[in-house]
Amino acid sequence: EAGVVQSPRYKIIEKKQPVAFWCNPISGHNTLYWYLQNLGQGPELLIRYENEEAVDDSQLPKDRFSAERLKGVDSTLKIQPAELGDSAVYLCASSPGPRQETQYFGPGTRLLVL
Amino acid sequence: ELKVEQNPLFLSMQEGKNYTIYCNYSTTSDRLYWYRQDPGKSLESLFVLLSNGAVKQEGRLMASLDTKARLSTLHITAAVHDLSATYFCAVGIYNDMRFGAGTRLTVKP
Repeated sequence: EAGVVQSPRYKIIEKKQPVAFWCNPISGHNTLYWYLQNLGQGPELLIRYENEEAVDDSQLPKDRFSAERLKGVDSTLKIQPAELGDSAVYLCASSPGPRQETQYFGPGTRLLVL
Repeated sequence: ELKVEQNPLFLSMQEGKNYTIYCNYSTTSDRLYWYRQDPGKSLESLFVLLSNGAVKQEGRLMASLDTKARLSTLHITAAVHDLSATYFCAVGIYNDMRFGAGTRLTVKP
């Protein structure tokens, strides 16, 4: 069974440029998460989707970050414009449903903003 | 606000030794997760603990949960080099998880 797929794996951009990350969850998983992981820290939730609905986006900086999950499968996370402080690893995870289900993480996208 | 505290944050141990990593959390929760992360890699699920007194074991790792004390432990028995990684606990809160800062484990020969 294929795991969570993310692309690109690495991205280097200059500040004020836009950037987008893509995630394909495990087939059949209705819940999709985007996390931010800073160096030496645990992941922090940015947004959670149940199918195509964003049910928890309270930690998403909405002035520059946006996300979508069209058709309840793939998801895209966008930053526009990027700032130096956005340099981090962006992780996507999925689970069959919320709550007690284990979340399965993708390899992440490592973003460096110069 | 839920706080999840792991200790120690850094752990260097000799092969063959035993040690315990602690995960304390500040509010009621009914589920606790342990993940492993190798450098530059993503998180791998180790254990899901869903009830008070739950104990799960896989190889040299054993995890337990005391919901009354709001404490989970990850015990390492007879450590080997392959266990070197960062270990995260995560506490279930509503429909989400809140992660600790991680314990970076190094097992030396």
